[in-house]
Amino acid sequence: DTQMTQSPSTLSASVGDRVTITCRASQSISSWLAWYQQKPGKAPKLLIYKASILESGVPSRFSGSGSGTEFTLTINSLQPDDSATYYCQQYDSLWTFGPGTKVEIK
Amino acid sequence: QLVESGGGLVQPEGSLRLSCVASGFTFSSYEISWVRQTPGKGLEWVSDIGRSGKTTYYAESVKGRFTISRDNAKNSLFLQMNSLRADDTAIYYCARWDAYCNRTTCYAGFDVWGQGTTVTVSS
Repeated sequence: DTQMTQSPSTLSASVGDRVTITCRASQSISSWLAWYQQKPGKAPKLLIYKASILESGVPSRFSGSGSGTEFTLTINSLQPDDSATYYCQQYDSLWTFGPGTKVEIK
Repeated sequence: QLVESGGGLVQPEGSLRLSCVASGFTFSSYEISWVRQTPGKGLEWVSDIGRSGKTTYYAESVKGRFTISRDNAKNSLFLQMNSLRADDTAIYYCARWDAYCNRTTCYAGFDVWGQGTTVTVSS
């Protein structure tokens, strides 16, 4: 099974900051990686697929990169609405989610 | 959209059947998964079923205890959960898996989610 890890588990940043979340896979998953945003009491929302492609309607301040085993989600110019937990998810072999990164606004 | 139901309180070793009804899209054209989220914790993929219902997949943690099925005529997905344990306590979401390739790229993701139904396993 492919295991996913994320770092940090929590981060606190100010509005306008650039934040980066790292996701690592226990084995190569090529670019078969998605990112989701989840707000309290809500279902997850797809942000990025195939490691770097923005889902329709997602603000351009979100971007993704990476391949193989290391991936990043970057939020440029953090906005108050970006306060949420972010999950990576591999789909190279079935599906596995990372443990999540909680983004808080200072 | 997807709407789950069937959650509730059940004793350890008990059974429960979850349902998920789809609307607004051609249900039979999509794989659908169950994904659960334990209180205060992260997301765990549980099970997936192919478009016709002939292909199913399970996480190791539920294999042999849970059974996924679908009724395309009724736009419905089910999860039969047997031998429930305390660590099965979670919010259970159904989620549509959309995956396709065109000339320029391949799209894939859980792009439609239900609101979730809560399962609590406790004596």
